[in-house]
Amino acid sequence: EDQVTQSPEALRLQEGESSSLNCSYTVSGLRGLFWYRQDPGKGPEFLFTLYSAGEEKEKERLKATLTKKESFLHITAPKPEDSATYLCAVMNYGGATNKLIFGTGTLLAVQP
Amino acid sequence: NAGVTQTPKFRILKIGQSMTLQCTQDMNHNYMYWYRQDPGMGLKLIYYSVGAGITDKGEVPNGYNVSRSTTEDFPLRLELAAPSQTSVYFCASSWDRGYEQYFGPGTRLTVT
Repeated sequence: EDQVTQSPEALRLQEGESSSLNCSYTVSGLRGLFWYRQDPGKGPEFLFTLYSAGEEKEKERLKATLTKKESFLHITAPKPEDSATYLCAVMNYGGATNKLIFGTGTLLAVQP
Repeated sequence: NAGVTQTPKFRILKIGQSMTLQCTQDMNHNYMYWYRQDPGMGLKLIYYSVGAGITDKGEVPNGYNVSRSTTEDFPLRLELAAPSQTSVYFCASSWDRGYEQYFGPGTRLTVT
């Protein structure tokens, strides 16, 4: 069964303290891995799509990487405004259902 | 572009009542989706559509119905509301399968 596991569930960082969030996945055939940011009371906001192992994407202080079993979201010198829940999702090749399989997210709090 | 818009933002229903959650996108996307998000759970796909006139069930379709008469609109109908349908509902759209999905701001529904 396709599955996505994110760790840690929650992470508290000091401003400027770099760290990484993990997304481990099991999928029959990976079509794409997606990272989203979700602020309280808002809808998920798209960050990155990764399609193949070895691929990397960057945006400001965020960098996403992909291997055959997991993805990392690296946060460099975070600021308080980076505080949010970060969601990882995968889409597989098999079947007709166009569904994203979501993890439960990592709640990131960056303290000034 | 407004992106994906949803109405209402909040709603309280009594058990057995019905309602329609509205979703509109202005990006000319073919694919549209309805998800629900419950605390501690990943987003779950309810229904999706690959174009006007074409809809299909997702992971958790029971108790819901959808229609897609135009490219822009994808309403979700709840018939005979039950407490188990208390959740936050998100509508999303994408250009095609495998591409990133863009989410609306959500509707918080409480059934009592």
